[in-house]
Amino acid sequence: DIVMTQSPLSLPVTPGEPASISCRSNQSLLHTDGYNYLDWFLQRPGQSPQLLIFWASNRASGVPDRFSGSGSGTDFTLEISRVAAEDVGVYYCMQPLQTPRTFGQGTRVEMK
Amino acid sequence: QVQLQQWGAGLLKPSETLSLSCAVYGGSFGGYYWNWIRQPPGKGLEWIGEIDRRGNTNYNSSLKSRLTISGDTSNNPFSLTLTSVTAADTAVYYCARGVDGRLLADWGKGTTVIVSS
Repeated sequence: DIVMTQSPLSLPVTPGEPASISCRSNQSLLHTDGYNYLDWFLQRPGQSPQLLIFWASNRASGVPDRFSGSGSGTDFTLEISRVAAEDVGVYYCMQPLQTPRTFGQGTRVEMK
Repeated sequence: QVQLQQWGAGLLKPSETLSLSCAVYGGSFGGYYWNWIRQPPGKGLEWIGEIDRRGNTNYNSSLKSRLTISGDTSNNPFSLTLTSVTAADTAVYYCARGVDGRLLADWGKGTTVIVSS
């Protein structure tokens, strides 16, 4: 199984400031089709997870452009350019490259 | 707007069978991947399994001996059956729909399942 490791696990943030979350896999997520199979999700308190980023750097429909994803191979990053109050919650990375699909442990983002 | 609606029994005793269903409204069923994911209380997300666009199933090996995911690729709903449940199966269970590259694009609201004697 592919192991996904996120850091940090807890991230206090200040509204309007940038924030960054790292995700690493123990196997390359680069497919032969040229895409990196890495997704990012946000689970707001009491809600279902929602897809933010797919193929490592593509924003899902309706996701604000303050969210961006980058990385390739085994190292990936989710960045929020200016954190807003509604961005609090737990962020998960996931690899859809192979079964079983596997998630990172989650990063809890909360306001300072 | 696409909605995934889930239903099923929320309180089970150890050794009983968990059965959940998921249907899509405002969107199509065929041509998608259909996944089940669960989240134990206070913990992270665990992928349970899926039916792909061709009707093939893939399961988490840790659950495979107890798990069945079924559904007709052209018709609602699709379902999850997990036999011989224990307290470790207590979780919120989510269904999710997606396509290649966006495997978990749309999510249901989740069903809380508690296993307790």
